[in-house]
Amino acid sequence: QSVLTQSPSMSAAPGQKVTISCSGTSSNIGSHYVSWYQQLPGTAPKVLIYDNNKRPSGIPDRFSGSKSGTSATLGITGLQTGDEADYYCGVWDSSLSAWVFGGGTKLTVL
Amino acid sequence: EVQLVESGGGLVQPGGSLRLSCATSGFTFSSYEMNWVRQAPGKGLEWISQISSGGNIIYYADPVKGRFTISRDNAKSSLYLQMNSLRAEDTALYYCARSYCTGASCYRDSWGQGTLVTVSS
Repeated sequence: QSVLTQSPSMSAAPGQKVTISCSGTSSNIGSHYVSWYQQLPGTAPKVLIYDNNKRPSGIPDRFSGSKSGTSATLGITGLQTGDEADYYCGVWDSSLSAWVFGGGTKLTVL
Repeated sequence: EVQLVESGGGLVQPGGSLRLSCATSGFTFSSYEMNWVRQAPGKGLEWISQISSGGNIIYYADPVKGRFTISRDNAKSSLYLQMNSLRAEDTALYYCARSYCTGASCYRDSWGQGTLVTVSS
């Protein structure tokens, strides 16, 4: 059972937009910056978003992040079949003194 | 180019021990906080431990506290994970990950390809 709650799966058609949510508490998302990770099948995770809404160099602007209160959201526009992956949110939790990941959302691009 | 290469995984019996290593290159290892993250087969990511750049600040996830020990050798640019009293639920792909710290937060910006640990009799 993850400290951060994500929907297990989502699906959308190519070209569409999706939003993946991550729900936490005041001790994690409510007081710390969130990062998002993409894990393509059979590969290591890759950071997409850090500090709630910043993109590392090389990450297209189709990917965006936001945070409000104790929830964070990853947005992906112009969906491509190559975006089929598992997506995880991550954040520091002050109460646990631990980094925590969400349970992950499996995105299917139909 | 930042490179992280894990090694040391394998098959071990319940109650046994294993030591994982992560050899790094392409960056000044001694300046970065480092992590171990694992992923059980078909499951999500689970952060298990973090060590500061100097090795003096260490955190563990509850499931591994008292059984796993993270350490580093800055002279060798290497990260380690000593795993004792292994259980079947420790079976996973173990990733080494670097933390990149901005002024606001630290996030896991570089990852190795992982080393597989299987705990089974």
